[in-house]
Amino acid sequence: AQSVTQLGSHVSVSEGALVLLRCNYSSSVPPYLFWYVQYPNQGLQLLLKYTSAATLVKGINGFEAEFKKSETSFHLTKPSAHMSDAAEYFCAVSVGEVDSGYALNFGKGTSLLVTP
Amino acid sequence: GAVVSQHPSRVICKSGTSVKIECRSLDFQATTMFWYRQFPKQSLMLMATSNEGSKATYEQGVEKDKFLINHASLTLSTLTVTSAHPEDSSFYICSANAYFGPGTRLTVL
Repeated sequence: AQSVTQLGSHVSVSEGALVLLRCNYSSSVPPYLFWYVQYPNQGLQLLLKYTSAATLVKGINGFEAEFKKSETSFHLTKPSAHMSDAAEYFCAVSVGEVDSGYALNFGKGTSLLVTP
Repeated sequence: GAVVSQHPSRVICKSGTSVKIECRSLDFQATTMFWYRQFPKQSLMLMATSNEGSKATYEQGVEKDKFLINHASLTLSTLTVTSAHPEDSSFYICSANAYFGPGTRLTVL
């Protein structure tokens, strides 16, 4: 079975500082990895996904993530935090293409707080 | 990105009634859609996989007779919570092709 672990349920950064949200995965087959953002009382917005192409994945809103097989990691980064980045972030994994019927397994989420 | 809609966004009902939630893919077809449940300040829990033209696949511990799923077309899946009780109050979210709907907040009185 596949799973992801998000290290740190809460992360606080200053506006303009680097954002680093950690995600480690466990999978018996090459994984498909995703990062989502959720604002209060809203659905999830896809930030980026890794599907075995380039290991450095660029997403929306200036976010990017790097797939490191040796470390079984897929950490999310952004060079400079904005106040609007404050939200809940979820890492997720599947063992196949989601449009082929493979569901996502989610981490517990990391709440990002951005301080002025 | 692709758009997935849900309706209604919010519903309040009395205990014992049934509630239907619709999930639509607006600009693409999806043979498979997923239904998740999210409790406050928690992660998403997969409830079931909705398959167009066949029966849904339910996760362990999810009552299929309570949470009825129908995938009527390649763009529509519905989740019906039958005989709802207060413990069914939650945030229900559907997804298709890695894109998520805005969610439905169900409150059962």
